[in-house]
Amino acid sequence: GENVEQHPSTLSVQEGDSAVIKCTYSDSASNYFPWYKQELGKRPQLIIDIRSNVGEKKDQRIAVTLNKTAKHFSLHITETQPEDSAVYFCAARIAHAGGGNKLTFGTGTQLKVEL
Amino acid sequence: NAGVTQTPKFRVLKTGQSMTLLCAQDMNHEYMYWYRQDPGMGLRLIHYSVGEGTTAKGEVPDGYNVSRLKKQNFLLGLESAAPSQTSVYFCASSPGSRYGYTFGSGTRLTVV
Repeated sequence: GENVEQHPSTLSVQEGDSAVIKCTYSDSASNYFPWYKQELGKRPQLIIDIRSNVGEKKDQRIAVTLNKTAKHFSLHITETQPEDSAVYFCAARIAHAGGGNKLTFGTGTQLKVEL
Repeated sequence: NAGVTQTPKFRVLKTGQSMTLLCAQDMNHEYMYWYRQDPGMGLRLIHYSVGEGTTAKGEVPDGYNVSRLKKQNFLLGLESAAPSQTSVYFCASSPGSRYGYTFGSGTRLTVV
């Protein structure tokens, strides 16, 4: 099955700096890569996603890049703010008939934005 | 439109007891999932369903059973709870293979 590794496990940045979280996946058949943000005690919420036919996607201060050859994808947050502090999860989905759209998640990155 | 609703939100069980977690979605989604979340281990898939009347095993199915008798509901059962099943359980749903998940608010289960 798919295996997703995520680094770093914790990340501390100063407000206004950029943050980068990296994930690698094992199965070259994966074709969908979402990122979720989870605040303390809350549910994971989708913040951005990218499909395998696209190399980069941006949404305001958030961007995701995908390198299919190297099988890695990254989340970039610019101009970080205290409200960006949360746990971020990457995920990957293998596309095959009857696969049930199952997502395999990374182990999460605790991002702390310090004032 | 409530999205995905999980009940209960919290529960404490004694070892050997049984319980059922309920997940309900009002978005007419075909696919539903149960994940468990443990510190440092991310979200791991327990069971999932691709439609009413169907279920399939995920990554960590042992000790759990599921049923999807109605499209909007996905039940997760623990027949004989063990301390290793102490976790936060999240239900999620998806409209199809090209979309991400909508998660429920989670159930914090403690087995003593």
